[in-house]
Amino acid sequence: AQSVSQHNHHVILSEAASLELGCNYSYGGTVNLFWYVQYPGQHLQLLLKYFSGDPLVKGIKGFEAEFIKSKFSFNLRKPSVQWSDTAEYFCAVKKAGNMLTFGGGTRLMVKP
Amino acid sequence: GAVVSQHPSRVICKSGTSVKIECRSLDFQATTMFWYRQFPKQSLMLMATSNEGSKATYEQGVEKDKFLINHASLTLSTLTVTSAHPEDSSFYICSAAGTDGANYGYTFGSGTRLTVV
Repeated sequence: AQSVSQHNHHVILSEAASLELGCNYSYGGTVNLFWYVQYPGQHLQLLLKYFSGDPLVKGIKGFEAEFIKSKFSFNLRKPSVQWSDTAEYFCAVKKAGNMLTFGGGTRLMVKP
Repeated sequence: GAVVSQHPSRVICKSGTSVKIECRSLDFQATTMFWYRQFPKQSLMLMATSNEGSKATYEQGVEKDKFLINHASLTLSTLTVTSAHPEDSSFYICSAAGTDGANYGYTFGSGTRLTVV
């Protein structure tokens, strides 16, 4: 069965620190990849997505992610985090069909 | 952009009663809608997938007689939690995909927090 792993469950950073959140998946076929963010008390919002083309994807709010097919990874990065980036981040993978499989989530806390 | 409206946002019900949650796509036709459940501090777990006009497909371990899903139109899907019990208390989230899921990015509703007392 396909699985999506986010190895960092909790991350604490100071403002201006760089961020990298890991995401690995186990499915070997063609996949579409997503990162979602859930701010406290709010619903999921799409940060960025990869379907094809340039494996380095730029998203909203200064986030980017790189698809490395050989490593089955789609890590999320931001060069300088802000307090307002405190949220939970979910990686998701779509294989054939429309179903998304979510990773376990990473809770990010940014200290001012 | 694509908007999905979920209602109600919060509901408290007595044990043994049924609760209906609505999920509407406001500006696009949702051929497929997904229902998720999110436990505190955990990820989203897919409960079922519904396609307009056909029966929902439930994930393993999800009781279809307890969680009734209806997707009668291209803009509305409902989840009814029947004979609710305290263990059904959770955060339920719907997501909708249009005819081209790539463009709509699987828009999520704002969720419904169900508390069964």
